[in-house]
Amino acid sequence: GEDVEQSLFLSVREGDSSVINCTYTDSSSTYLYWYKQEPGAGLQLLTYIFSNMDMKQDQRLTVLLNKKDKHLSLRIADTQTGDSAIYFCAETIYGGSQGNLIFGKGTKLSVKP
Amino acid sequence: DTAVSQTPKYLVTQMGNDKSIKCEQNLGHDTMYWYKQDSKKFLKIMFSYNNKELIINETVPNRFSPKSPDKAHLNLHINSLELGDSAVYFCASSPSGSPTPTDTQYFGPGTRLTVL
Repeated sequence: GEDVEQSLFLSVREGDSSVINCTYTDSSSTYLYWYKQEPGAGLQLLTYIFSNMDMKQDQRLTVLLNKKDKHLSLRIADTQTGDSAIYFCAETIYGGSQGNLIFGKGTKLSVKP
Repeated sequence: DTAVSQTPKYLVTQMGNDKSIKCEQNLGHDTMYWYKQDSKKFLKIMFSYNNKELIINETVPNRFSPKSPDKAHLNLHINSLELGDSAVYFCASSPSGSPTPTDTQYFGPGTRLTVL
């Protein structure tokens, strides 16, 4: 079945890089996403990658996709205290239900000054 | 200017009661969704509607009934509330509902439901 796994916690110091990892099981995934949830707020789409790409860079964010290992990572360069949030990995399945996002359980990123 | 809004933000109620959560989007999107986020932050889709028509209906107790009076609104009515219904419920909308990044889902701020 469809499943998305993430580690639950990550703690880094301000200025360091953060790497949040995600694994997924369905090999027919078409798009993989990273969402950010700040405390008390809804989810905000950060970035996405198509499953035939290996890497995507967007300012401080770098997404790496290893399709063979079904492993997705999000690297945040020069992590700031404002990056403290929960980060969700999500996928959509080709031919799946319309707009059906499968979310991981989220990784809570804590940034220490 | 809020894109996706939900009311109420907090809802505290007794077991057995019936309650509704309202969602409105002013983005002109065709598709709206309800997600449930449990105490462990696990987020799972419940329903989606496209142009007032039910598209996704995941395994959700039939005590939960979505209602879409028009494509800008998707309300969630819950009958006979149980302790396990306590969660944060998020509404979202997207332009067409197709599984592509151009169909970005915009989320509301959430409604925290506590059943006592």
